[in-house]
Amino acid sequence: EEQLEESGGGPVPPGDSLRLSCAASGFTVSGTYMSWVRQAPGKGLEWVSVIHSGGSTYYADSVKGRFTISRDNSKNTVYLQMNSLRIEDTAVYFCAREALWFGESMETYYMYVWGKGTSVTVSS
Amino acid sequence: QSVLTQPPSVSGAPGQRVTISCTGSSSNIGAGYDVHWYQQLPGTAPKLLIYGNINRPSGVPDRFSASTSGTSASLAITGLQAEDEADYYCQSSDNRLSGPYVFGTGTKVTVL
Repeated sequence: EEQLEESGGGPVPPGDSLRLSCAASGFTVSGTYMSWVRQAPGKGLEWVSVIHSGGSTYYADSVKGRFTISRDNSKNTVYLQMNSLRIEDTAVYFCAREALWFGESMETYYMYVWGKGTSVTVSS
Repeated sequence: QSVLTQPPSVSGAPGQRVTISCTGSSSNIGAGYDVHWYQQLPGTAPKLLIYGNINRPSGVPDRFSASTSGTSASLAITGLQAEDEADYYCQSSDNRLSGPYVFGTGTKVTVL
């Protein structure tokens, strides 16, 4: 069974750093696209970052330059290094495995394995 | 502010049919990017409900169905059940955004 487990969340003051981990089991993270998605309290889902199987990385404008996604193939784990944290980064952070879907005209990706999330609270 | 707009809430009695719209534009759904749907039960992680506009993963009841037309998509729940009370999100891609993915604003389904 494919599973994801996030860890590393907690309370931090503004400006601090935090590293989230997403440990995978049942599949290898190096062979797939892996995303981080966050959800602020009482709000909707916001895509944060993705790492492709080839190693390319992409970020939402709201975190670009502050967050870094990476993976350790030997630990089968994906990370999200979060620097210069802001109050608006407060959220539950989920990691998710993606699958490629070939539509009639365009390719898209959907997220079909999700972790339970880890909570990050940025507050003074 | 998401580029995919959903109604904040819809409600229905048990057994009724409810629909959730996901309104996009020519840069996302209208550009041919397929739509995927997720269900998020209270206090839990999202769960894939529909992928590729109309396809249900194994284990998803057939009372959930979806469709697209032009720049919009919709999710229908027929024979509404108490356990369907949850938040629902559409997701697609947009060629005007710097990021590859976009989620809809989300819809809370309440079973009366």
